[in-house]
Amino acid sequence: QKEVEQDPGPLSVPEGAIVSLNCTYSNSAFQYFMWYRQYSRKGPELLMYTYSSGNKEDGRFTAQVDKSSKYISLFIRDSQPSDSATYLCAAGSARQLTFGSGTQLTVLP
Amino acid sequence: DAEITQSPRHKITETGRQVTLACHQTWNHNNMFWYRQDLGHGLRLIHYSYGVHDTNKGEVSDGYSVSRSNTEDLPLTLESAASSQTSVYFCASSRAITDTQYFGPGTRLTVL
Repeated sequence: QKEVEQDPGPLSVPEGAIVSLNCTYSNSAFQYFMWYRQYSRKGPELLMYTYSSGNKEDGRFTAQVDKSSKYISLFIRDSQPSDSATYLCAAGSARQLTFGSGTQLTVLP
Repeated sequence: DAEITQSPRHKITETGRQVTLACHQTWNHNNMFWYRQDLGHGLRLIHYSYGVHDTNKGEVSDGYSVSRSNTEDLPLTLESAASSQTSVYFCASSRAITDTQYFGPGTRLTVL
């Protein structure tokens, strides 16, 4: 069993939809959580970073962490075609960062 | 602007050859990482370094080696390339272990 499991998708939504991307993790040592966005043939880039349970909002993006259920989510409001990418969740301990397998999202105009 | 670069961007090699992928960062970060990315597996850690002369094995280190002689560079060597090592390789760096990792553009390696 992978330490970080992510819904693989692919996910296709119409422009303007609310998108929900989800991951679960199994290691209680994970203390901080990230979402990376990766455009085709590019390196991943950080989208959101959070280290506590609850919600963190940045524009149209909201990261949600529930440490009690070991569940992390990313919500995208008013999705745009430019949001089409692969989204990678990651969970980190004092020693290293572990990534989920990524969810490929396509936002249709 | 500080950045992280990888070279070459594309490489085709033959089974059994030694291959070295370069990674160079100008962030002056202590920590550097090598990942491979394969469909269905996401990013898997190969090797990492927390400073000059420090190297550590990651989840999928067999067949790979690294050395860190300065802060800026962490080259990844495939001692004897195998077809199973066909992948996209990403280098990353961070200031502290729990900080954001900044990724390079990737190297697409094909082993025939």
